[in-house]
Amino acid sequence: QQQVKQSPQSLIVQKGGISIINCAYENTAFDYFPWYQQFPGKGPALLIAIRPDVSEKKEGRFTISFNKSAKQFSLHIMDSQPGDSATYFCAAGFSGGYNKLIFGAGTRLAVHP
Amino acid sequence: EAGVVQSPRYKIIEKKQPVAFWCNPISGHNTLYWYRQNLGQGPELLIRYENEEAVDDSQLPKDRFSAERLKGVDSTLKIQPAELGDSAVYLCASSSINGGGNSPLHFGNGTRLTVT
Repeated sequence: QQQVKQSPQSLIVQKGGISIINCAYENTAFDYFPWYQQFPGKGPALLIAIRPDVSEKKEGRFTISFNKSAKQFSLHIMDSQPGDSATYFCAAGFSGGYNKLIFGAGTRLAVHP
Repeated sequence: EAGVVQSPRYKIIEKKQPVAFWCNPISGHNTLYWYRQNLGQGPELLIRYENEEAVDDSQLPKDRFSAERLKGVDSTLKIQPAELGDSAVYLCASSSINGGGNSPLHFGNGTRLTVT
């Protein structure tokens, strides 16, 4: 019940295209869903996060879409750039009190010029 | 602000040897986390500290792993003895409250451990 399943495992997109990464969670008590971006040799860095009281959150070229009934959320990267090439992790946790983030297995994105 | 600092960046040891990792969190962050990231996987929590108290160590293999956070600032994670399966990246993270929506986790660049 604590798992977060992420797909695809890897993704290749052409420059200017849309990258879409999907995640599904099981625990309906989760109310905080962040996405982290990790470059080789670096630690993960928070990219964008959403709470289930909204269905979509946009920050620049990055958008999270959230479907509470399906227990799914996704990251959309519009106008993908080579500099977006990294590994992306979704996670799920709680916005208040003790937060133990459960991370997905990651998606390795390669944006080709 | 300075980020989370970890050392060493890389460590190669033979199995059964001890190893230690060090972490200096972001100034003012009272919550510190140690995560393990296996190759091709997401980070998994090992232990969480609030100030100097370990408040969640349920995922820490206590037969060989130990951690401490003296004075509620820097932290050290130790493995003794190391096993081949301990090869991974060990990430330290910190947050100012509890890492939830109002205070995200800030990760260091990790220590890559290779056990031969």
